[in-house]
Formats: sequence, C-alpha cells, structure tokens
Amino acid sequence: EVQLVESGGGVVRPGGSLRLSCAASGFTFDDYGMNWVRQAPGKGLEWVSGINWNGGSTGYADSVKGRFTISRDNAKNSLYLQMNSLRADDTAFYHCAKSTVTYSYYYMDVWGKGTTVTVSS
Amino acid sequence: EIVLTQSPDTLSLSPGERATLSCRASQSVRSNFLAWYQQKPGQAPRLLISGASSRATGIPDRFSGSGSGTDFTLTISRLEPEDFAVYYCQQYGSSLTFGQGTRLEIK
Repeated sequence: EVQLVESGGGVVRPGGSLRLSCAASGFTFDDYGMNWVRQAPGKGLEWVSGINWNGGSTGYADSVKGRFTISRDNAKNSLYLQMNSLRADDTAFYHCAKSTVTYSYYYMDVWGKGTTVTVSS
Repeated sequence: EIVLTQSPDTLSLSPGERATLSCRASQSVRSNFLAWYQQKPGQAPRLLISGASSRATGIPDRFSGSGSGTDFTLTISRLEPEDFAVYYCQQYGSSLTFGQGTRLEIK
C-alpha cells in the first residue's frame, strides 16, 4: 500500500524550532519529487516547500523562505522539514505529498494524513 | 505568483443535482496544468483531476474537469451523498498555488 506518514509535530513557543519527518512506503521513493503543504485551522491549502527526486533542487513559499529547510534521505525513504524561527502564523496541519514526476512542481497523487504544529507562548 | 480564485465560496445543493465549481487564474496557466482535489473533514486531500480534464485513477466518471487558459471548471454530474466536501483547484504551471476552496454542502 502506498503510504506517507508524518511525525514530529507539537507545541512550540514563538521563535522555536521543530523538525517534521515523513516516512514513505509502497513506492520507489527516489523516483519522485516531494512537497510539504500546510493548512491553518479552518483555512485552505498552502504549498510550503518542495524538493526534487535527489534533493538537488528545492523551492519555498515566500512565507517560509529563510526559515524552513526541506531535505530528504532516499536511503531511509524519508522527507524532512526543518522549521526555525517559528511564528504564530505557522500554526497549521502539515501534510507531506508525493509528486507524480521527478520534480516537485507538479500535482500530487498521494498525501499523508498530516501532523499538527502549534506555535504559541 | 499565479493567484487562483474559486467560486462560489459555498455551494448548497441536493443529492442528484449537478454541481459546477469554478476556478479562475490571475494569468494563463501553462499547458493547462490545473488539478482538482477533494477534502473531507479530518482527511487528507484526494486527487480528482489533473491536466484540467484527466480523471485520476479510481475517480467516478460523474466528476469531470474542463477549461483552459485562465478559466477552469469542475463538474459533478449527479451528486452522491459522499461528494459533499471542500474542493480545491491547484495550478502547477508556475510553481504551485491553490485556490481558497469551495465548500459543497447539502441543501
């Protein structure tokens, strides 16, 4: 079964850091680009970051550029999002999502259920 | 950045009726790289349509996508009870952006 499972969410104070992980199974992980997409409470979907199949190309939304870093470990079939300098408006449900091609800027056919990040003092 | 505007924000219909959801882009979407997703409460988004009109694997044929350039439409020909959800469009012709969503609710 094709599956993405996120972990690492939690409650953090403004200015703090968190590292999200996404474990992939059921498909050849290093054949595909990957993305992080978030959803603030009661709001719509917002693309956060993407990475190509080998990690050689990454992209970020303006809202997180310079604060978040996406990475992947193909040997471990895992995707990561290092989040620094967290702000209240980063509070959201974070999904990892699989692209259907080797790069990330494409549509996404498999989504994880997500992990919750709450930034609050 | 391409901004996607969906309309209406909320659509109230009854099972068996036809639903028409709109997605308008602030500039032309390259190669009609436009996808539609369905999201139910507490669930991850589900891919319905890619390339503006190609149904994803396992998606019933009552779902159809159309449009080109800046104007795109998702049509559900005959609503089933399980179709009531939030629908998002997403363009992937220039980076990635999502529309704000249309909530399809039971009338």
